[in-house]
Formats: sequence, C-alpha cells, structure tokens
Amino acid sequence: GEDVEQSLFLSVREGDSSVINCTYTDSSSTYLYWYKQEPGAGLQLLTYIFSNMDMKQDQRLTVLLNKKDKHLSLRIADTQTGDSAIYFCADHYKLSFGAGTTVTVRA
Amino acid sequence: DGGITQSPKYLFRKEGQNVTLSCEQNLNHDAMYWYRQDPGQGLRLIYYSQIVNDFQKGDIAEGYSVSREKKESFPLTVTSAQKNPTAFYLCASRPGLAGGLNTGELFFGEGSRLTVL
Repeated sequence: GEDVEQSLFLSVREGDSSVINCTYTDSSSTYLYWYKQEPGAGLQLLTYIFSNMDMKQDQRLTVLLNKKDKHLSLRIADTQTGDSAIYFCADHYKLSFGAGTTVTVRA
Repeated sequence: DGGITQSPKYLFRKEGQNVTLSCEQNLNHDAMYWYRQDPGQGLRLIYYSQIVNDFQKGDIAEGYSVSREKKESFPLTVTSAQKNPTAFYLCASRPGLAGGLNTGELFFGEGSRLTVL
C-alpha cells in the first residue's frame, strides 16, 4: 500500500471543528507534517509534530499522534471559509505525502 | 524576499516536444525536489538533489530529466518519453534532513501547470 494514506474529502459547517485523519507506514521519521494547499498554488507548512510527542496545539490547530497505530490527525477548531483547501500529511524520512484531503467549508 | 520561484506558471506543449520547467531558490538550501501532482493522487516524487552536481531518481522518474549545476537552480525537463505529462509540477527545497533547529520542512514554489495538446 501507500506510505501515507488519508481520506479524500471532508465537508464541514462553518464554526464546527474539522478532523482530518492520516495513517503512515514508516516509523523512522523524526517529524510528521501537515501542509495546506490553496487552489492553484504550492504547499505551505501548517504545523508539524515531533515523533516523541503525542499532541501539539497551535492556536486553532491540534495535532494528535498515535505512534502505536501509526495514526496522525489534524483538528481545526472553529473552521472558517478560509480553511477551505487541500490538506496533506507528510512523512519526511521517505519524502512521502498523502493524497490530500479536500476540505470544503459550507455556510 | 527569500523563496522559490517556478516558471512558467502555465505551459502548453505539443506531443513529441521536450519542455523544461525552471526552479530557482535563494534560500541557500542544499536539497531540492520535484513533485508531480495529479487529482486524487497527491504528490509523487520525480527527482531530488541533496547537493550540487548530484541527484537521485524518485518514484516516477521515467520520462523526466534534471540537472543541478548550481545550488540555487534545479530545472526539470519533461521529455517526449513521458507518456502522460499533463499535470501540476511542484518544486521544493529544504536546508537538509531534519536535525537540531532544522525541522526538515519543505518550502514549495507556486507550481507550473503543464498541458499537452
């Protein structure tokens, strides 16, 4: 299978929380990352988590890492229309990216 | 301002033609990468270079070629041997592997969209 897997689509109401899930196969990475891509643009780093951490919070963003299950999640609190984008999880040891989750925020 | 510049942003090519996509960075990064993005498939690694005058094939190198003659430049040539070249191409760079204060984050350009007519 793929090194990094994530669901392709998520629709969320404005003001609700979004949760994007990701599973990975390689446990060698020192860091795991979440990137955001606006339409027609490159990717920008949203946040990252060090592999010896379980959780990282950064304003509206919460990253959870379950190393035993090789599961990574990104929670966006109070989702806004500007959060509509494609979100990629990535493992930088193997330079692998997930397929990207397209998040659509509806009013 | 420091960053990565890709050009052109849009490119049209006839079948059988080679095209070269430019990628320049002024971040003084050692490593540079080329990814291809197709809908529903995420990013796939084409080639990468950890240092000047050296580069390695990624997962989908067939039909592509690169050079790394200067630290700041990593052009990608899409050859006529690439069977399905229509895609969005992304160039990225980073200082090197993660360690110390370096989180290993990739810095991306704005992409080049290639369409084969």
